[in-house]
Amino acid sequence: GQQLNQSPQSMFIQEGEDVSMNCTSSSIFNTWLWYKQDPGEGPVLLIALYKAGELTSNGRLTAQFGITRKDSFLNISASIPSDVGIYFCAGRPNTGANSKLTFGKGITLSVRP
Amino acid sequence: DAGITQSPRHKVTETGTPVTLRCHQTENHRYMYWYRQDPGHGLRLIHYSYGVKDTDKGEVSDGYSVSRSKTEDFLLTLESATSSQTSVYFCAITGSTGDYGYTFGSGTRLTVV
Repeated sequence: GQQLNQSPQSMFIQEGEDVSMNCTSSSIFNTWLWYKQDPGEGPVLLIALYKAGELTSNGRLTAQFGITRKDSFLNISASIPSDVGIYFCAGRPNTGANSKLTFGKGITLSVRP
Repeated sequence: DAGITQSPRHKVTETGTPVTLRCHQTENHRYMYWYRQDPGHGLRLIHYSYGVKDTDKGEVSDGYSVSRSKTEDFLLTLESATSSQTSVYFCAITGSTGDYGYTFGSGTRLTVV
């Protein structure tokens, strides 16, 4: 089946640094989503992308829908301790809710004060 | 809040006993999903529902069954719990348009001893 690749599994950065994550697929997706999961909670949607090349920001977060439609990128600027968590990418190959999301395995981000 | 609740939040049960987890939504969304989350595996789809009494299997459905007799409730049952089913279980919902991805519940941590 379709897979989304996120690596590395863990990232460690210093507070104030920027960090970039990417998510790749061997097949095309028409929707890309980025989620964050805080400890003990469910994933929460950060950013949704619907068009190839689209660049969308949400505060210090910026995400891009790759022009090949096979990848997406998330950038966090000026990291703070509350950015700690697991970041998942997700993609949907077709439009419509009956097309299920595929999730990456997530990247655990640690921020050193 | 997102209008999705899971119960119980934590449960410890013995091997061989049946267990039912409940997902309740107040959004009147058509689609509901059950995932399990395990270290190194990310989120894996167990079962999903696309309407009342309409359900289908996900990638890790063995040992699980589901029921949806009302729009708002999606039940996940472990017929005879095993230690390999120790996990964190998440329910998710999405509406008919699906444009905004899934909304997740806060999860149920299940331990089978």
